[in-house]
Amino acid sequence: EAGVAQSPRYKIIEKRQSVAFWCNPISGHATLYWYQQILGQGPKLLIQFQNNGVVDDSQLPKDRFSAERLKGVDSTLKIQPAKLEDSAVYLCASSLDLVVNIQYFGAGTRLSVL
Amino acid sequence: QKEVEQDPGPLSVPEGAIVSLNCTYSNSAFQYFMWYRQYSRKGPELLMYTYSSGNKEDGRFTAQVDKSSKYISLFIRDSQPSDSATYLCAMANSGGSNYKLTFGKGTLLTVNP
Repeated sequence: EAGVAQSPRYKIIEKRQSVAFWCNPISGHATLYWYQQILGQGPKLLIQFQNNGVVDDSQLPKDRFSAERLKGVDSTLKIQPAKLEDSAVYLCASSLDLVVNIQYFGAGTRLSVL
Repeated sequence: QKEVEQDPGPLSVPEGAIVSLNCTYSNSAFQYFMWYRQYSRKGPELLMYTYSSGNKEDGRFTAQVDKSSKYISLFIRDSQPSDSATYLCAMANSGGSNYKLTFGKGTLLTVNP
């Protein structure tokens, strides 16, 4: 079974630029999550989708971050404009559904904002 | 007070040692308790999953939950160099759409051959 795929693995941008990350969850997984992991910290949930609907985006900085999950499969997370404090690893996870909520993580995208 | 507290270490032990990793929490509504292992430059990988209080054993790993003390532990027996990683505790308060994982900071473990 293929795992959660994320791309790119690494991204370096300058502040005020925009960036986008892509995630392909495990096949058949209805629930998808985006987390931000700052160095030395645990992952922090940014947004949670159930199929193509948003379940929780309470911790998403909506003035600069946006996310979508078209057709309930792949998802993209965008930052525009980026700030220095956005430097982190962005992790995507998926689970079968909200009831069987064992989350499987991708390897993440490491973002450096200069 | 943070919802989940975890000593970041680092923790260095010789091969074969018993390792004890711990987290404390303040939210008494937490019912689901997990331990994830994260290798360098990789995503977290689920190790143990426990509902409510009690012990759970899986090979060399044992997870303990003491809800009365708001304290969870992960024990690793006969530790191996391949166990060197960051261990993250995570907790959630309910199922369904309210299920949201709160992670500790992680403890960096090094097992020396």
